[in-house]
Amino acid sequence: SYELTQPLSVSVALGQTARITCGGNNIGSKNVHWYQQKPGQAPVLVIYRDSNRPSGIPERFSGSNSGNTATLTISRAQAGDEADYYCQVWDSSTAVFGGGTKLTVL
Amino acid sequence: EVQLVESGGGLVQPGGSLRLSCAASGFTFSSYWMSWVRQAPGKGLEWVANIKQDGSEKYYVDSVKGRFTISRDNAKNSLYLQMNSLRAEDTAVYYCARDGMAGPDDFDYWGQGTLVTVSS
Repeated sequence: SYELTQPLSVSVALGQTARITCGGNNIGSKNVHWYQQKPGQAPVLVIYRDSNRPSGIPERFSGSNSGNTATLTISRAQAGDEADYYCQVWDSSTAVFGGGTKLTVL
Repeated sequence: EVQLVESGGGLVQPGGSLRLSCAASGFTFSSYWMSWVRQAPGKGLEWVANIKQDGSEKYYVDSVKGRFTISRDNAKNSLYLQMNSLRAEDTAVYYCARDGMAGPDDFDYWGQGTLVTVSS
């Protein structure tokens, strides 16, 4: 079965740029979606199909996908960006999520 | 405004059954694939199942095949998950999520979830 690998945690200084990676075999050939989840809340879609932002998501959130790695980039990180982030793809008619990355803003 | 509201969670004994419901509003429910996604306490997200607009295609994660059944009633704008032979490892918050129109895609709207606890 297809697997997605994310770092358990990423730390970023306030106002700096955070990058969260999502590794998978030839993931560049798939559409990658990213979700933000804050404690006690439902996930929120922040990037769809590699690099597209839903309405209402700040331009500070961007995504890229190539080769074996997809990346979620959060520029000018704010305290409110602290959350768990999950990547997701479809493989053989099943949805696969990465294990999640906890983003800490210092 | 798109809304997804889950119900039906609760405490059930191992081997028992439960039926979850998801009431959808604010969009044309019959135009979208729909999914159930779960999250065990303190763990990550796990996709459970999805269903095509007309119910003609259904897919499941291996761990629930033969035990869970996804269904929908487009006339009632509702999605369901019938869960049988429940196990402790099925304990989780279950989310209803809107999928794509042309096919499985991103989950652009989620409900607030309903907690299922399997314990004796």
